[in-house]
Parts: sequence; C-alpha cells; structure tokens
Amino acid sequence: DAGVIQSPRHEVTEMGQEVTLRCKPISGHDYLFWYRQTMMRGLELLIYFNNNVPIDDSGMPEDRFSAKMPNASFSTLKIQPSEPRDSAVYFCASSLELVTGELFFGEGSRLTVL
Amino acid sequence: GQQLNQSPQSMFIQEGEDVSMNCTSSSIFNTWLWYKQDPGEGPVLLIALYKAGELTSNGRLTAQFGITRKDSFLNISASIPSDVGIYFCAGQRYGGATNKLIFGTGTLLAVQP
Repeated sequence: DAGVIQSPRHEVTEMGQEVTLRCKPISGHDYLFWYRQTMMRGLELLIYFNNNVPIDDSGMPEDRFSAKMPNASFSTLKIQPSEPRDSAVYFCASSLELVTGELFFGEGSRLTVL
Repeated sequence: GQQLNQSPQSMFIQEGEDVSMNCTSSSIFNTWLWYKQDPGEGPVLLIALYKAGELTSNGRLTAQFGITRKDSFLNISASIPSDVGIYFCAGQRYGGATNKLIFGTGTLLAVQP
C-alpha cells in the first residue's frame, strides 16, 4: 500500500512568492496533520483535520499560512507571501484514529525561501 | 508552549554498544510514543505505550512508560549501523478540545562500525 505522498519533495523560491505544498493521505485514514520541522523549533504541529474538517489550527504561524482539505484524499498547505523564515521541512501525516498517537508521515517537502 | 525535554541531544557510539535515552515533561501524558527519523525521511513509529509502568519491547528496542506518567525511556541493545538517525519521543493527553501529539527535541544517534 502506498504511504502518505507529498509533493514537491524540494522547493526553492524567492521571498514574496506563493508556495503550495500537497499531500495525499493513506486511504481510509480520517485524520490528516501538517507539521513543520526546523532545527530551532523541532517538530511543530501546524494544523490537523478530521474527516476533511479543520479541528485545530492554533499552530499556524500567521495569516500567511492556510490549509485546506477539499476531499478525503487531498490536502494543501499554502504560504502567501513566503518569507525566508518559512524555510523548513513540512511534513504531512495521517492516522486512523487520534487517541493512539500513531501517525504515518510522508517524506516531507523541503522548502527554501531565498 | 508544552515541551518535552529529551536527553541526550546526541550520542556517538560504537557498533554493539547499548543505548539509552529518555524524555521528561512537567505535565502528565496518557500516551508515550517513540519515533525514529532517518535522513531525508519522515518519522516512523517504533513503540507506543498506553499505560503507566508499561514496559514494551520491539526487537532490540525496549521502552517504558514512567509510573508518574511524566517520563519515558528508550533502550536500544547491541546497536548496529542502521540504528543511525534521530529518535523522538512524543506524548499525548486525551480529552479537551484537541488531542495534540507533542514531540520531544530529538536525540541524534551515530553508530560507528
């Protein structure tokens, strides 16, 4: 079975440009998470969805960040406009249920904003 | 915000040695988990613990859920080169509006053949 699929794997962009990261969760998983990983702050939860509905977006840094899940098999994380401090690895993860804490992560999207 | 303190930050060991790392929190958790991240990959779940005092093994890995519910440790016996990576603890509480999984700061493990 395919795992969580993220694209692009790498993106280099200039400050001010719009960035869209994409995620396809594991089929049948009701929960989808977006995490950001940096050396300084480690793994931070940005937002998570249950059955395509955003449940907790308190980790989203600011209004420049937005996330959507139009259907059960697709989610996007958008940054507009991007800034150099947004440079990080962004992970998407999915899970069957919440209480187990058992997340399945994608390979990540490494974003560099110049 | 909530943080899990993980130690040590890094370890450089010889193949065959045993490894021990731990994670502490000022708050109680209902679930403790240990993940491993290989270079260029996302974290992968190694062990999940759901009960205070629980001791669980997965091959050469052994983890325990502290009796106070504020800590956990992970041991790796007879390390091998493929054990290299970053190990993260993670804690979760039930109830409330959300059930966030909080990750520790990570332990970088390097194994010399």
